[in-house]
This record gives sequence, C-alpha cells and structure tokens, in this order.
Amino acid sequence: DQQVKQNSPSLSVQEGRISILNCDYTNSMFDYFLWYKKYPAEGPTFLISISSIKDKNEDGRFTVFLNKSAKHLSLHIVPSQPGDSAVYFCAASPGSGNTGKLIFGQGTTLQVKP
Amino acid sequence: NAGVTQTPKFQVLKTGQSMTLQCAQDMNHEYMSWYRQDPGMGLRLIHYSVGAGITDQGEVPNGYNVSRSTTEDFPLRLLSAAPSQTSVYFCASRGQGAFPTDTQYFGPGTRLTVL
Repeated sequence: DQQVKQNSPSLSVQEGRISILNCDYTNSMFDYFLWYKKYPAEGPTFLISISSIKDKNEDGRFTVFLNKSAKHLSLHIVPSQPGDSAVYFCAASPGSGNTGKLIFGQGTTLQVKP
Repeated sequence: NAGVTQTPKFQVLKTGQSMTLQCAQDMNHEYMSWYRQDPGMGLRLIHYSVGAGITDQGEVPNGYNVSRSTTEDFPLRLLSAAPSQTSVYFCASRGQGAFPTDTQYFGPGTRLTVL
C-alpha cells in the first residue's frame, strides 16, 4: 500500500516556464513533508519542506503548497531552468517523533528544455 | 566534513553470496537509515537506527541485517544475496532536531547487481 504517491512519472517544460510536480498521500498523521532532488549517480538532496500545519512554504524559485483536506501537495518551480532537470521525490515524515524515517513517493523525472 | 560516505560504489554478486555495504557519517548524527531505490518504486526504507545499539525494521527488511555499534557507522549486511536485491542502496543520516532544521542527508549510493 503506497502511502505517498507521485502519479506522474515524468514532466517536460520549457525553460522559463513554471514546473508543477504533484504528490498525494493517504496518512493524515504525517507531520512533515519534504521534497528531494536527485541527479543521476548521486544521492538525493533536500530541496524544501513544509509542516502539516502550514499551507505554503517558499524558498526562492521553489514553493510547496499543502492541501490537507485533499491530502495533496505540490512543488512549483518558477522560472524553470535546465539545471532543474532531475528526479524529484516527495517524502513524508510518519509523525512518530524525530526518528529519521521518511516515506517516499515513486519520483517524477523533470526535464527542462532550453 | 565528508558527510555521508558509502562503499563500495558498485558491486556484483552471485546468488547466495554475502556481503556488507558500508556507511559512515561524520556529522555526529543519531539517526541513520538504509533505503533501496528501484525503478517505479521510489526509495523504500530497509532498516533504521535511532542511536548506537538501537535498530529497527523499515518497510522491506527481509534478507538484510544491520547493527550500530558506533554513532558513525551503520553497515548493511546481505546474508544470502538474491536477484531481487539488485538495486541502488542509499544510506542517510539525520540529527535529532526537528524539521526543517535537521533534515536527512544521503550518501552517493551503492549500485548492487546480483546475478
């Protein structure tokens, strides 16, 4: 049973446009959500996060929106740049304390075309 | 700081062989985890540890053993390798602070092929 789902395996956008990556979850007890970015042959790196008590968090070109009633979050990248091309993973913290456990979605491969 | 290091980067095993994937961190983090990444499956948690001497199972623990004798090291042992364990393995560590101050840092990964 996949508790965190990214239903779009891939996304292609033009440089300068907005990229929107989506993530759905099933467990209402998740207390924190994170986005990780992964380049080939490297480990994932942390990008941005949001607490379950917030509905928006912004960091430069990256904004994460959380809709708790819909159990949905999205990552907006504006403007998109070719260097943003990577696999993006949505992850959720189970809410059982700060144990370091994260539950990941399947990932979405973003391609930003020059 | 070197962060999270993993060795080896690549490994090919035959079915039934055993091996240990090494993971070390120099950030004095209490929490360490092992994940595997498979196509279409994302990252799945194998085992994790909340401190030296304390380990617990994740989502997919079967066929793997861990131990945590020091804060720095968290090796992952494959007891009898199977083709289903062909994957990319990532080790991660995290401090004890709350998100977002303390987040997970990942190593570069070990690509394992079991023939």
